[in-house]
Amino acid sequence: DVKVTQSSRYLVKRTGEKVFLECVQDMDHENMFWYRQDPGLGLRLIYFSYDVKMKEKGDIPEGYSVSREKKERFSLILESASTNQTSMYLCASSFGSSGANVLTFGAGSRLTVL
Amino acid sequence: GDSVTQMEGPVTLSEEAFLTINCTYTATGYPSLFWYVQYPGEGLQLLLKATKADDKGSNKGFEATYRKETTSFHLEKGSVQVSDSAVYFCALLNYGGSQGNLIFGKGTKLSVKP
Repeated sequence: DVKVTQSSRYLVKRTGEKVFLECVQDMDHENMFWYRQDPGLGLRLIYFSYDVKMKEKGDIPEGYSVSREKKERFSLILESASTNQTSMYLCASSFGSSGANVLTFGAGSRLTVL
Repeated sequence: GDSVTQMEGPVTLSEEAFLTINCTYTATGYPSLFWYVQYPGEGLQLLLKATKADDKGSNKGFEATYRKETTSFHLEKGSVQVSDSAVYFCALLNYGGSQGNLIFGKGTKLSVKP
């Protein structure tokens, strides 16, 4: 089975801290994604990447950056965490360039910023 | 732009009841349509998909038919179980679009009571 692993299930950080959310996939997928999930808003795409060292902005990139130094790892970075970034963060990956290919999601990282 | 609208929840049903979760979309071109499910404490996983008009996706007793004339992709199940309690997301990807353009509805929470 394809596995997408998010290193932290629950994090509590203080306002202004730098936060790293790590995601690793084990099936050699080209594409990786970061979403945030909020009640009543569904999933919103933050950033995605089609290849190593490549990144594209999603719908809500402000306040976030990403890093993809290796194919299997995609990191989401909050340079200076704020309370409005309290949310569930979901990483996903997929194979190939077909629009019909399926996303495989990690279990999520719930971040609370105090 | 493209969008997905699904019925608001929560939806509460008794075991063995019939389920319909409505999903309609607005899109140019010929999108692929998906239903993802999120069980408590987990990430999203694909439930079913359809890539062209009149296709029927099915899995685990769930079905959805791609209706281009009504721009709909309603999810149905004849007899729900307690284990079907989850949040269901309808999603759209326009034909030829990158997966960075996958658009999710806001999700519908289903609770099934014994």
